[in-house]
Amino acid sequence: DGGITQSPKYLFRKEGQNVTLSCEQNLNHDAMYWYRQDPGQGLRLIYYSQIVNDFQKGDIAEGYSVSREKKESFPLTVTSAQKNPTAFYLCASTPHSPYGYTFGSGTRLTVV
Amino acid sequence: AQTVTQSQPEMSVQEAETVTLSCTYDTSESDYYLFWYKQPPSRQMILVIRQEAYKQQNATENRFSVNFQKAAKSFSLKISDSQLGDAAMYFCAYRTIYNFNKFYFGSGTKLNVKP
Repeated sequence: DGGITQSPKYLFRKEGQNVTLSCEQNLNHDAMYWYRQDPGQGLRLIYYSQIVNDFQKGDIAEGYSVSREKKESFPLTVTSAQKNPTAFYLCASTPHSPYGYTFGSGTRLTVV
Repeated sequence: AQTVTQSQPEMSVQEAETVTLSCTYDTSESDYYLFWYKQPPSRQMILVIRQEAYKQQNATENRFSVNFQKAAKSFSLKISDSQLGDAAMYFCAYRTIYNFNKFYFGSGTKLNVKP
């Protein structure tokens, strides 16, 4: 079945560490996105990529980095510069069309 | 920039009853897309229904339907014959046609379904 796989489901980070969240899709979608979700808030866009080797900052990119070396993969690194990284992270993809996103099942990141 | 407002942080409905979730948005564009997403306790976001602004007919998907009032910039979701599995967070979203990368989400409405 086609879909988006995010891993791990739960991730714990120590202060000062970088961690990488994985996002893989087999939908042959061109565009991929990373969103952050905090309690009581909607989704906020971190980064997006429309094609391989190209990505753009979203609304809250500071403290995060991404890469897009393959069409199927769009990993997100939460760096030590992100001062409040505890949140739920959602990856999404879409073809270049006016349809909605397909979302992954998310990664819950907690700072310990 | 477009904004999407969901004024009801939480709502409750009795099983088998009907409930309407509200959403308003602000835009100067004439053509765009509107969506309702469901986020159950599993946290997976699921597309419930989609509406193209140029279509006057309201979209329906089984027990889910929308009331799209373009002039009022309102996009409410009606859930008929509510089921326990409908309990979730519901997010309204706006997508501009000029940049498919631009999606604007509301803050969500938590729907509780009482047996």
